[in-house]
Amino acid sequence: NAGVTQTPKFRVLKTGQSMTLLCAQDMNHEYMYWYRQDPGMGLRLIHYSVGEGTTAKGEVPDGYNVSRLKKQNFLLGLESAAPSQTSVYFCASSWTVEGETQYFGPGTRLLVL
Amino acid sequence: QKEVEQDPGPLSVPEGAIVSLNCTYSNSAFQYFMWYRQYSRKGPELLMYTYSSGNKEDGRFTAQVDKSSKYISLFIRDSQPSDSATYLCATRSSGSARQLTFGSGTQLTVLP
Repeated sequence: NAGVTQTPKFRVLKTGQSMTLLCAQDMNHEYMYWYRQDPGMGLRLIHYSVGEGTTAKGEVPDGYNVSRLKKQNFLLGLESAAPSQTSVYFCASSWTVEGETQYFGPGTRLLVL
Repeated sequence: QKEVEQDPGPLSVPEGAIVSLNCTYSNSAFQYFMWYRQYSRKGPELLMYTYSSGNKEDGRFTAQVDKSSKYISLFIRDSQPSDSATYLCATRSSGSARQLTFGSGTQLTVLP
């Protein structure tokens, strides 16, 4: 099993450009999450999904959109990138059973110039 | 005020030392407490998980939760250079979304 994979690993964008980050999991998890990690701020939840076709806002959703068309995939979109979105983005997934853990992907480093 | 506060360090200790990592939280609804370990340029991985108050031991690692003082601790005995990483505490309340609230992480270096 590959677990949670993320594409791309690293990307440089110019202000105003758009891009999509792809997360895939092969563990048949219902829940999927997108976090961003910034120095001194820890991991902050951007959006999450509790099942195929569902999405919900997390702590810092502004400037991002998500889609969960297939159970195994969770896409994070930046429509018009801003320098404040320079960060490391992590995807995670989990079961629905109470007390389960979240499994994280390796991260995508994004630099917005 | 952040819901979960964690001293960012960095913390350097000699090999074999006992390490104590700590977090405080403010939300009384938090019932699940976790410690994640994150190696440089990698994703976090779950290290310890506890429910409500009490201690949990796993090898050289002990997680401790004191809900009365809203204090979370991770102890590492006989620390090894391979323990060098950033340690993130995380909590959540019961609910359908399973949303985690993370501390900012403590960077630990164990010197050989």
